[in-house]
Amino acid sequence: KQEVTQIPAALSVPEGENLVLNCSFTDSAIYNLQWFRQDPGKGLTSLLLIQSSQREQTSGRLNASLDKSSGRSTLYIAASQPGDSATYLCAVYPQRDAGGTSYGKLTFGQGTILTVHP
Amino acid sequence: DGGITQSPKYLFRKEGQNVTLSCEQNLNHDAMYWYRQDPGQGLRLIYYSQIVNDFQKGDIAEGYSVSREKKESFPLTVTSAQKNPTAFYLCASSTSGGARGFFGPGTRLTVL
Repeated sequence: KQEVTQIPAALSVPEGENLVLNCSFTDSAIYNLQWFRQDPGKGLTSLLLIQSSQREQTSGRLNASLDKSSGRSTLYIAASQPGDSATYLCAVYPQRDAGGTSYGKLTFGQGTILTVHP
Repeated sequence: DGGITQSPKYLFRKEGQNVTLSCEQNLNHDAMYWYRQDPGQGLRLIYYSQIVNDFQKGDIAEGYSVSREKKESFPLTVTSAQKNPTAFYLCASSTSGGARGFFGPGTRLTVL
């Protein structure tokens, strides 16, 4: 059974720091990996999706990498801002079955709670 | 705007009652999902549906039921058999290939 672990569980940094959030998964047979942001009491906002054939994706100050063979992904946030404060969730999609779909059945990590203080 | 809507935002239930959470999407996605989120835990899959009139149990389906009569709608009923229903419930959808998930804003259910 796939298990996803995120380290650290919580992180508090001063504004302007570059930071790295870690995600590891036990079964390397994944289809995609997706990073989400969740603000308190809100739904999930997709940040980056990395397909299994890719090694990284970038969006603005965010960069996510994927190393399938070692079961790891990292989310790099450059020049952090107070508005980046949120919970960041990593989720993996299983490989497609014989029918050609992974059904989108995500397995989530427990999240990293990020606080960026001015 | 295309997206997923969930209602109500907050829901209170007395013990022994069944309640139904609504999820509607206008993204023309084939697949829909229900997840449950508890404090300090990641999301866990309750039920999912790949096509209309078909659905499968996820990891924690006991005490829940769903229906998928229309492509756009995937309501979740929390029954009295669910022992600890207080949680944040998130609905999601994806294309049939399941390559990317889109999430609704969530419903917070509290048992009084």
